[in-house]
Amino acid sequence: GENVEQHPSTLSVQEGDSAVIKCTYSDSASNYFPWYKQELGKRPQLIIDIRSNVGEKKDQRIAVTLNKTAKHFSLHITETQPEDSAVYFCAEYSGAGSYQLTFGKGTKLSVIP
Amino acid sequence: EAGVAQSPRYKIIEKRQSVAFWCNPISGHATLYWYQQILGQGPKLLIQFQNNGVVDDSQLPKDRFSAERLKGVDSTLKIQPAKLEDSAVYLCASSQGPKMGNEQFFGPGTRLTVL
Repeated sequence: GENVEQHPSTLSVQEGDSAVIKCTYSDSASNYFPWYKQELGKRPQLIIDIRSNVGEKKDQRIAVTLNKTAKHFSLHITETQPEDSAVYFCAEYSGAGSYQLTFGKGTKLSVIP
Repeated sequence: EAGVAQSPRYKIIEKRQSVAFWCNPISGHATLYWYQQILGQGPKLLIQFQNNGVVDDSQLPKDRFSAERLKGVDSTLKIQPAKLEDSAVYLCASSQGPKMGNEQFFGPGTRLTVL
């Protein structure tokens, strides 16, 4: 079945530094990879996504890269700010029948002022 | 646009008791999902509805969990009887459709504590 490995589980960075979170997946049929941000006690919210026909996507300080050959994708946050502190989840979407998202276990990002 | 609504927000019960959660998706969203999020983990899909039909319930513990979406709008998730390991946040999400690229919008969740 589908499986998403996410690393690291926790990440602390100084304000202004960059943060990188990596995920690997096993289902070669996966074709859509969203990233969700979940602040403490709040609902997950989509922050960026990438489709399998694209290698990189950027939105202001956030970027996502995808390597389909190696089956991994990464979230990059530049110029981190304290409000970036949250748990970030990667997910994979397999359209091969089940049409469902499988989430990674999450990365708790702490941005130190 | 109103978001996904869930109630109650918090529930504390003893093991072997029953509990029900309610979800009202975003208006017009045909697809509704129930996820279980155990502390420190990512959401895990329990069941997915397309209108009032079940698309996927392969990860739903059917001996104790049940869900319905009778009129294709609101949905309820029930646990009967509850076990200690059911303590988690139960998230409801909805999307316009089931296919790739249709963003899933999450509700605030119901935090269940089973004592």
